[in-house]
Amino acid sequence: RKEVEQDPGPFNVPEGATVAFNCTYSNSASQSFFWYRQDCRKEPKLLMSVYSSGNEDGRFTAQLNRASQYISLLIRDSKLSDSATYLCVVNIFSNTGFQKLVFGTGTRLLVSP
Amino acid sequence: DAGVIQSPRHEVTEMGQEVTLRCKPISGHNSLFWYRQTMMRGLELLIYFNNNVPIDDSGMPEDRFSAKMPNASFSTLKIQPSEPRDSAVYFCASSLLPEVHEQYFGPGTRLTVT
Repeated sequence: RKEVEQDPGPFNVPEGATVAFNCTYSNSASQSFFWYRQDCRKEPKLLMSVYSSGNEDGRFTAQLNRASQYISLLIRDSKLSDSATYLCVVNIFSNTGFQKLVFGTGTRLLVSP
Repeated sequence: DAGVIQSPRHEVTEMGQEVTLRCKPISGHNSLFWYRQTMMRGLELLIYFNNNVPIDDSGMPEDRFSAKMPNASFSTLKIQPSEPRDSAVYFCASSLLPEVHEQYFGPGTRLTVT
């Protein structure tokens, strides 16, 4: 089983729509969770962290369900500029005792006019 | 402030040739990461350094891959000999531990091995 799994999509939505992505992770000891955004042929960039209580940043809402080991990202009022690949990221402790990030393969979002 | 700098941005080489990718992390960051991204496997961590010391190289595919960080402002990833299956985008990222989640990525090197 992959450490982080995402639906690759693409999710095709019209402008103004609400869209949600889910992600599951396998390591129950994981402590930190994030969403990164990657534009076509660009580098990944941190979008937002995911907290147990859920958190919101403008049109974006992230939630964590530890019991079911999944993370979600909700985008409201989609914009054309939201078109990108969204990477689910889990922070785990490697066997060296240091933390490292494990990235999902990403969910592609296409927002059309 | 300058972000993470990588060179070259594109590299096309023939199978069997040596390839060297270069990275300059953000000044003051003490952790550096090398990733490889392909359509099939996504973003994979190859190796990471903390204070110039390799901490975890379990992601390095095989002996053909090697990485060095001679000082806090420079790292290289070398592939020798290169093979077509090494074709991918290679990203370098840096961060401040323990805030490892805030990794800042360079623009990547797109490697094509023919």
